[in-house]
Amino acid sequence: GESVGLHLPTLSVQEGDNSIINCAYSNSASDYFIWYKQESGKGPQFIIDIRSNMDKRQGQRVTVLLNKTVKHLSLQIAATQPGDSAVYFCAVFDNTNAGKSTFGDGTTLTVKP
Amino acid sequence: IAGITQAPTSQILAAGRRMTLRCTQDMRHNAMYWYRQDLGLGLRLIHYSNTAGTTGKGEVPDGYSVSRANTDDFPLTLASAVPSQTSVYFCASSGQRGDTQYFGPGTRLTVL
Repeated sequence: GESVGLHLPTLSVQEGDNSIINCAYSNSASDYFIWYKQESGKGPQFIIDIRSNMDKRQGQRVTVLLNKTVKHLSLQIAATQPGDSAVYFCAVFDNTNAGKSTFGDGTTLTVKP
Repeated sequence: IAGITQAPTSQILAAGRRMTLRCTQDMRHNAMYWYRQDLGLGLRLIHYSNTAGTTGKGEVPDGYSVSRANTDDFPLTLASAVPSQTSVYFCASSGQRGDTQYFGPGTRLTVL
């Protein structure tokens, strides 16, 4: 089955710096990817998604990059703010397998003022 | 628009008791899901429903049951709770299975 892992369980950055959170997946049939943000005591919140026919997608201060060759996904947060402190995890979907989804464990981002 | 609501917010339960966690969405989504989230582990799928009237087993279904009598509601029942079911439970929904999933605020359950 699919396995999804994040490269670092924790990441600490200075306010104003850029943050990069990485995710690796194993199933080459995976075709849809989502990054979620989860603040303490709350449910996961959708940030940005990307489909396998793209390799980059930008939102407000966030960019997702997809490298299907090495099965790697990253989330870039520009000008990180204290409000960005949270757990971030990726979700990987295989729509060739009835939309089966696998979630990574999460990277805890701490933003130092 | 509330999105997805879950109840209760938290619950302490004696082992062996029956418990139903409630989940309601107002987005008219076809697919709904129940996950548990444990420290150090990613979200693990318990049960899902692709559409009203159908349900399916996820990764960790044992000890749990679900029903989907209508589009909006997807309750999760623990027939006889055990301490290993102590966890935070999240309900989610998506337009269709495989679409973006939107999550509820979670229920923190402690089984003693």
